Amino acid sequence: KQEVTQIPAALSVPEGENLVLNCSFTDSAIYNLQWFRQDPGKGLTSLLLIQSSQREQTSGRLNASLDKSSGRSTLYIAASQPGDSATYLCAVGGGSNYQLIWGAGTKLIIKP
Amino acid sequence: DAGVTQSPTHLIKTRGQQVTLRCSPKSGHDTVSWYQQALGQGPQFIFQYYEEEERQRGNFPDRFSGHQFPNYSSELNVNALLLGDSALYLCASSALAGGPAEQYFGPGTRLTVT
Repeated sequence: KQEVTQIPAALSVPEGENLVLNCSFTDSAIYNLQWFRQDPGKGLTSLLLIQSSQREQTSGRLNASLDKSSGRSTLYIAASQPGDSATYLCAVGGGSNYQLIWGAGTKLIIKP
Repeated sequence: DAGVTQSPTHLIKTRGQQVTLRCSPKSGHDTVSWYQQALGQGPQFIFQYYEEEERQRGNFPDRFSGHQFPNYSSELNVNALLLGDSALYLCASSALAGGPAEQYFGPGTRLTVT
């Protein structure tokens, strides 16, 4: 059974710092991995999608990497801004299993 | 492109009542998935609809049922509401294309059961 873990559960850093959020999964037989952002009380915004054959994806100040063999993905945020404050969730899509399996998220606070 | 839309935005119901939530997928998408997200937790998969049939189901009781219409829109029905059903209900759409694909989420419906 696939399990997804995100560490840390919460993170507070000063504005301008580069930071890394971690996501680990127990079953390496994944189809893809998505990183999402969720603002308080709101829905989910897709940030990056990494297919199982890819090692990383980049969008602006965001870079996500995937290492299937070790069951890990990282989301790197460069030059953090207060507007980056949100909860970040990773979700794994498995082979013939069409559902996404989710981590509990990392709550990120960027202090001005 | 309107993206994924959900209605209503908020809903307050009493224990034992029934509720229907609605979702319209992103243009060009034929698959709709429903998720339940309790406060402070990641979403939990309820079920997925494709070609008007339930394709896959998560670990939710039969009180949770759904429907997909020919225009690909979908409804989530919950009967005999419990306090524990209070959550954010998220709808996601995707183009199945033979395998798991990137899912796009709507803003969610916040259900409160009193």
